[in-house]
Amino acid sequence: DQQVKQNSPSLSVQEGRISILNCDYTNSMFDYFLWYKKYPAEGPTFLISISSIKDKNEDGRFTVFLNKSAKHLSLHIVPSQPGDSAVYFCAATPYNTDKLIFGTGTRLQVFP
Amino acid sequence: DSGVTQTPKHLITATGQRVTLRCSPRSGDLSVYWYQQSLDQGLQFLIQYYNGEERAKGNILERFSAQQFPDLHSELNLSSLELGDSALYFCASSVARTGPYGYTFGSGTRLTVV
Repeated sequence: DQQVKQNSPSLSVQEGRISILNCDYTNSMFDYFLWYKKYPAEGPTFLISISSIKDKNEDGRFTVFLNKSAKHLSLHIVPSQPGDSAVYFCAATPYNTDKLIFGTGTRLQVFP
Repeated sequence: DSGVTQTPKHLITATGQRVTLRCSPRSGDLSVYWYQQSLDQGLQFLIQYYNGEERAKGNILERFSAQQFPDLHSELNLSSLELGDSALYFCASSVARTGPYGYTFGSGTRLTVV
């Protein structure tokens, strides 16, 4: 039962353009949604999050949008840079728990 | 350096064997989480400890067990290993509740069962 889904295993974007990574979820009982970034041979690192009561959160080049009616969130990276090339995981925290439920990840490649 | 230390980084062992993975959480963090990442899979939650006590359990096999010691480091024990147990095992830690900042992950232990 995959409660958090990332249907695109990979995405290739030109430097300077916008990268949009998508995530769908099936459970309405999530408190927070988070995005993690992972480089090879390293653990995932926290990038940005959004509360379930909000619909947008922005931090520099990164913006996360939450569409509760569609059970969909997206991460926008503008402008994309080669250093953004990594695997991006969407995750969600169920209410009253500490665990994170992760999607399967999307590999982003930003080319010059 | 995230502050979460996992040892060893790599481990190769044979089927049927038992291994122990170790995790030292970030200073001040009371919660430790273990996750498994198999090939092309997301991170699967295994188990959480908070200040020495088990707080939540996920998809952890009966052959696997974990504990958190008084100094807050944690060990994940995997026994009767099978080929399918080959994966990256991540430890993460947090101060208390997860909240909007998630956890801090270590760099993982890559387990290969041959």
